[in-house]
Amino acid sequence: GEDVEQSLFLSVREGDSSVINCTYTDSSSTYLYWYKQEPGAGLQLLTYIFSNMDMKQDQRLTVLLNKKDKHLSLRIADTQTGDSAIYFCAESTYSGNTPLVFGKGTRLSVIA
Amino acid sequence: GAVVSQHPSRVICKSGTSVKIECRSLDFQATTMFWYRQFPKKSLMLMATSNEGSKATYEQGVEKDKFLINHASLTLSTLTVTSAHPEDSSFYICSARDLAGGDEQFFGPGTRLTVL
Repeated sequence: GEDVEQSLFLSVREGDSSVINCTYTDSSSTYLYWYKQEPGAGLQLLTYIFSNMDMKQDQRLTVLLNKKDKHLSLRIADTQTGDSAIYFCAESTYSGNTPLVFGKGTRLSVIA
Repeated sequence: GAVVSQHPSRVICKSGTSVKIECRSLDFQATTMFWYRQFPKKSLMLMATSNEGSKATYEQGVEKDKFLINHASLTLSTLTVTSAHPEDSSFYICSARDLAGGDEQFFGPGTRLTVL
């Protein structure tokens, strides 16, 4: 079945950029998502990208997609302590009522 | 964006009892809702797909008689954990997609279940 892989931990200093990487196996993935989960909370959608795009920027967030390598990254500029959370990469094959396949999540720790 | 609520947010129960978790789409309709389970320090695993007006579709390894799902209306799905055991302790999250909206799935805040 589909698989989504992420590194488990990332530590950065406040003010630096964070880059969280994700790889997926399903070549028919149509939508790729980044979710944020703060301690004890549910999931918050940060952004998503269609597979026909290679970049999407939203304020401090930049998503890069390399469809050939099936690689997705999330860059957070000027990382703040409030960005400390677990970031999940997820993919779905096509729009509609299909579930998401999640990676295991990357725990981002921001050092002041 | 659209809002999905879950109730309760936390529940503690004794072994052998049943617990019902509600998932509501507050300002949109959803024919399909999804139930996920998150283990400590692990990813979310899809448990089942809840379909309005029909039976839920369960993922392999998920006991349908233990995790009862009812999707009685376009805005409400319930997950009942029957005869709960301590190993059922987990974080349960639902999601729904707005029929009239785009492709985003909206997640509820989750329900933390602790079985003593």
